[in-house]
Amino acid sequence: GAGVSQSPRYKVAKRGQDVALRCDPISGHVSLFWYQQALGQGPEFLTYFQNEAQLDKSGLPSDRFFAERPEGSVSTLKIQRTQQEDSAVYLCASSLAPDRASYGYTFGSGTRLTVV
Amino acid sequence: RKEVEQDPGPFNVPEGATVAFNCTYSNSASQSFFWYRQDCRKEPKLLMSVYSSGNEDGRFTAQLNRASQYISLLIRDSKLSDSATYLCVVTTRTGGFKTIFGAGTRLFVKA
Repeated sequence: GAGVSQSPRYKVAKRGQDVALRCDPISGHVSLFWYQQALGQGPEFLTYFQNEAQLDKSGLPSDRFFAERPEGSVSTLKIQRTQQEDSAVYLCASSLAPDRASYGYTFGSGTRLTVV
Repeated sequence: RKEVEQDPGPFNVPEGATVAFNCTYSNSASQSFFWYRQDCRKEPKLLMSVYSSGNEDGRFTAQLNRASQYISLLIRDSKLSDSATYLCVVTTRTGGFKTIFGAGTRLFVKA
């Protein structure tokens, strides 16, 4: 597609519920990133994929968070047993560059998760 | 100390004004620098990369000062449409790559 597509746009989850957030990057983009953005803050890094390989997951806040990109294209971020502190906007970004340093990223519109 | 720090603002300026934002970073090994713009309830969008020699794109000028570890963004002849949050982004290679976003500086341009 022309841009990075994320779904759903909004998600309300009851505390303890599992959620799955989808990211469809720009076709051909090697690198894919997930970020979490709390209100009034900048995006915080969660995890990074180069094709299907998850090269860095150091930003995932707990073992309730899991991400995959099995075929090197679409990625899913799963949050198990959601807690109120998980409420945030989850942003996906992709980049043509095979590393993280050279170019800026293209972000999707994000998924706004609210845990009640 | 945060790795990337920005004045949160808000900066309230009239149309036509010149406004400048600074961003400081703590890791001297940082390699790549960017400014992103984020409109309310929208995703961040790349505004410009920041090069060592400084670079200009229309009304926007970005500069890097490695010695003092800060980058700056200058906006000339501000437009109402420039109202947004401006995010400073720094990428560092220590071990693996690490990209850090600042919390952003809010700009309001008023008529």
